[in-house]
Amino acid sequence: EDQVTQSPEALRLQEGESSSLNCSYTVSGLRGLFWYRQDPGKGPEFLFTLYSAGEEKEKERLKATLTKKESFLHITAPKPEDSATYLCARGTARQLTFGSGTQLTVLP
Amino acid sequence: EAQVTQNPRYLITVTGKKLTVTCSQNMNHEYMSWYRQDPGLGLRQIYYSMNVEVTDKGDVPEGYKVSRKEKRNFPLILESPSPNQTSLYFCASGVRTAGYTFGSGTRLTVV
Repeated sequence: EDQVTQSPEALRLQEGESSSLNCSYTVSGLRGLFWYRQDPGKGPEFLFTLYSAGEEKEKERLKATLTKKESFLHITAPKPEDSATYLCARGTARQLTFGSGTQLTVLP
Repeated sequence: EAQVTQNPRYLITVTGKKLTVTCSQNMNHEYMSWYRQDPGLGLRQIYYSMNVEVTDKGDVPEGYKVSRKEKRNFPLILESPSPNQTSLYFCASGVRTAGYTFGSGTRLTVV
């Protein structure tokens, strides 16, 4: 069974201070790696899917990368509206295993 | 607008009183799934469905039932709710190779 670990649990950044969130997993093989954003009281919002080591995807200030055993979500020059919990998950549409999330706070 | 609609958003009920949380999607997705989210435990899958009349257990299925009689609907049934089923529930739908679209959630309290 895949285990998904996210770090750090919480991260506070100043506006414009770039950083990275980490997601590591235990089971290799043909499964997707998914990143979601979740705002308080709302459902997770899909950001990216990665399948192959070396793959990268970008959306505005976010870039997700994938290696054989971990994924990074890079946040460049974040703004306060980027504050949220970022979840990663691994698996297929049949079954996704989620990490516990990184709570990101971006201070103005 | 493409979306997953759950109802109700909030529900307070008493132990043992059967309830149903409805879920509907308008994207013609084959896959649908129910998750519960609890502090410190994250999102855990309850049941999933790969298509009409095809359902299977996730990680925490005890105390729950589902049905998939139509492609768009995937209700979650609690036959005899207990306080340990107090949680935030999410329905989601998707296709095999892409991410799930999640509903807005149902906050259930069982007293």
